[in-house]
Amino acid sequence: DAGVTQSPTHLIKTRGQQVTLRCSPKSGHDTVSWYQQALGQGPQFIFQYYEEEERQRGNFPDRFSGHQFPNYSSELNVNALLLGDSALYLCASSPDSPLGQETQYFGPGTRLLVL
Amino acid sequence: AQSVTQLGSHVSVSEGALVLLRCNYSSSVPPYLFWYVQYPNQGLQLLLKYTTGATLVKGINGFEAEFKKSETSFHLTKPSAHMSDAAEYFCAVSESDTGRRALTFGSGTRLQVQP
Repeated sequence: DAGVTQSPTHLIKTRGQQVTLRCSPKSGHDTVSWYQQALGQGPQFIFQYYEEEERQRGNFPDRFSGHQFPNYSSELNVNALLLGDSALYLCASSPDSPLGQETQYFGPGTRLLVL
Repeated sequence: AQSVTQLGSHVSVSEGALVLLRCNYSSSVPPYLFWYVQYPNQGLQLLLKYTTGATLVKGINGFEAEFKKSETSFHLTKPSAHMSDAAEYFCAVSESDTGRRALTFGSGTRLQVQP
């Protein structure tokens, strides 16, 4: 059973460009969350998708947007890249549950460097 | 709003010694609590979680944690450290009963194990 997969593994962009990161959830999971982990810090929640809708959003600007497809895979898009967007971007998947107690399983991440 | 404080950004122990990583949380509703481990250049792996029920939670690799509501703590322990335990450890909290499923992470504790 494949776990959470993310692509690409590494990416280098320049300021002002746009980037798209991709995530395939663990089999049987219908909920996908995205986190940003800056160097030396803990992950910060960007947003969560369920049933192709953004269900919850963290404190990130509108430059960060996402999408979930019918097969539950997801994309994270970042427009007008800033140097400060350089980070490890983590995708996590989980099955939905009424009270949200299900474990989020993380992928290996995409490391984005903005020059 | 919820938050997590991990006391000690770096902890060093000798192989075979007790491991104690501290985590205190703040949450306006009963929390769900998690410990994740991150090895270099990898994603996060769940060690253990507390949702409801028994306050002493056992996880993988010999780790355990105890939920103490009166102290708002969820410290991680392991009786005997192994060299393979060297990694970054993150404590995280999410809210129960609200439908908000975002994980809020602490800043992490890097564990070094000396031979």
